[in-house]
Amino acid sequence: NAGVTQTPKFQVLKTGQSMTLQCAQDMNHEYMSWYRQDPGMGLRLIHYSVGAGITDQGEVPNGYNVSRSTTEDFPLRLLSAAPSQTSVYFCASSPGRYNEQFFGPGTRLTVL
Amino acid sequence: KNEVEQSPQNLTAQEGEFITINCSYSVGISALHWLQQHPGGGIVSLFMLSSGKKKHGRLIATINIQEKHSSLHITASHPRDSAVYICAVMEYGNKLVFGAGTILRVKS
Repeated sequence: NAGVTQTPKFQVLKTGQSMTLQCAQDMNHEYMSWYRQDPGMGLRLIHYSVGAGITDQGEVPNGYNVSRSTTEDFPLRLLSAAPSQTSVYFCASSPGRYNEQFFGPGTRLTVL
Repeated sequence: KNEVEQSPQNLTAQEGEFITINCSYSVGISALHWLQQHPGGGIVSLFMLSSGKKKHGRLIATINIQEKHSSLHITASHPRDSAVYICAVMEYGNKLVFGAGTILRVKS
């Protein structure tokens, strides 16, 4: 199993550009989440999904969209990048609500 | 006040020392996670617990639901234990709320 994969590993955007961060898992996990990690702060939940076709907002959803058309994939879309979205983004999956989380390697995004 | 508070923020220990990292939370939870973030950035799950105590190798995690407190202990610490240790709580619902992390450095 590859586990949780994320692409790209690094990305630089200009303000106003859009892009999609990819996340995939091959463990047939129902739960998938996107987090951002900023210096001095804990990880914060952006969006999450409890299964294909079901998504919900987390703590900091503004400026981001998600969809979950398959169990395996959970892409995160930045609609119009802003410098405040400069961060490290982690995708995670778990088999269910009361199970351990499996994290991807992260994507470091810089918005100029 | 953050919902999840960790202490200490930074910890330096000598190899072989017994280490304790604390986590306090202010909300009702269904489970608590301890995670380890390596210097390279990768995050791995160490424990998930909702009551009592769990042990894995040199790591022990305990939780007191009534006191809303959890501890992570490392026995016989080693330089390879140097990492950021993160406490996260699963609120009733599907959302994890994270502490800011404890930076641990173990010197040889």
